[in-house]
Amino acid sequence: NAGVTQTPKFQVLKTGQSMTLQCAQDMNHNSMYWYRQDPGMGLRLIYYSASEGTTDKGEVPNGYNVSRLNKREFSLRLESAAPSQTSVYFCASEEGTANYGYTFGSGTRLTVV
Amino acid sequence: QKEVEQDPGPLSVPEGAIVSLNCTYSNSAFQYFMWYRQYSRKGPELLMYTYSSGNKEDGRFTAQVDKSSKYISLFIRDSQPSDSATYLCAMSEVDNFNKFYFGSGTKLNVKP
Repeated sequence: NAGVTQTPKFQVLKTGQSMTLQCAQDMNHNSMYWYRQDPGMGLRLIYYSASEGTTDKGEVPNGYNVSRLNKREFSLRLESAAPSQTSVYFCASEEGTANYGYTFGSGTRLTVV
Repeated sequence: QKEVEQDPGPLSVPEGAIVSLNCTYSNSAFQYFMWYRQYSRKGPELLMYTYSSGNKEDGRFTAQVDKSSKYISLFIRDSQPSDSATYLCAMSEVDNFNKFYFGSGTKLNVKP
């Protein structure tokens, strides 16, 4: 019963480097999300995918790209990391009806130096 | 102005106390309301979910929604040290339920 699995758990990047955060869910959920969490700011939506084959921007999409690889997997890519992207990143999934809320992964702690 | 406002705390109470956590919001179209609990260095987990107005009870937890005041509350009865965590409220519109707006979270500490 894995739920939502995120990799890696920790990462340190230098400014300008790129990386991809991976997320996979095994609950057959239709919708998947990427959030970032910063002190005092709460959770802010970066991108989401309401169903396989679709992606949409959230509140803070600049500097990020996403890929919904299949129903299970939703990746987040930082093309050229900046110190402002230092944050904790959470992936979440949801059945697609808003009746049951999100299931979150355990997060990726990213530091950009 | 943020869509959802939540007092960050920290809120410190003795074991057994009744805890009241609150959020206010500005968007009258919000209809789905949720409370999440987040332990340190973990992902949030869903505690309570309500649709539109009213109360919902689950064990020691009660969620209340007052849409006329744009105010939601989470009550914890007989609080335990294991309730020490950050509590996040979240809400969304019916027509745009994929986009949940989160409060910044209230940190709760229940002292033994």
